[in-house]
Amino acid sequence: EPEVTQTPSHQVTQMGQEVILRCVPISNHLYFYWYRQILGQKVEFLVSFYNNEISEKSEIFDDQFSVERPDGSNFTLKIRSTKLEDSAMYFCASSGALSGNTIYFGEGSWLTVV
Amino acid sequence: GNSVTQMEGPVTLSEEAFLTINCTYTATGYPSLFWYVQYPGEGLQLLLKATKADDKGSNKGFEATYRKETTSFHLEKGSVQVSDSAVYFCALSVGNNAGNMLTFGGGTRLMVKP
Repeated sequence: EPEVTQTPSHQVTQMGQEVILRCVPISNHLYFYWYRQILGQKVEFLVSFYNNEISEKSEIFDDQFSVERPDGSNFTLKIRSTKLEDSAMYFCASSGALSGNTIYFGEGSWLTVV
Repeated sequence: GNSVTQMEGPVTLSEEAFLTINCTYTATGYPSLFWYVQYPGEGLQLLLKATKADDKGSNKGFEATYRKETTSFHLEKGSVQVSDSAVYFCALSVGNNAGNMLTFGGGTRLMVKP
């Protein structure tokens, strides 16, 4: 069964460093997302991406964050200068016309900022 | 705005007990409703969904019925197993098209004892 894959599974970074989280969405999907889950808290929407541009973003997704689809398969989330409060599990997800409104998630990338 | 409220966990049950996890929602527009499950060390997996009132989603012995009159989508299972131990998230999206973001509840941890 097709799945969303994410790398790395766990990254530790120093405050102020740039981090790139990578995702390979399901191949025939057209909509891509990033969500995050701070330990013990809700899963929160960050951003959605369609047709090579951001279609929606939350208040969390400020200027420190960016997304990119550098080629036909990868979808990346960049955090420009990490803060302690960016420590969270980051989930990539995708959906497509054939999946209707069902969103499929990857296993997550756990980011720890120290 | 949209919001989802779930019963707080953890819910601790013995094997073969009956499970109910309550979920209520508020939505602008007509939502689709979902239950996602997160097994230890894994990502979010879609468990079941319902897209219109009175629909019943079911999977792996779990069921949930879309109740518009009570704005609820409670998750039930007649006989839980140890392998059902996980965190369960109720979620909604508004609109039936691909690309609509999910709003999650806070998650409910289920622990099933042998």
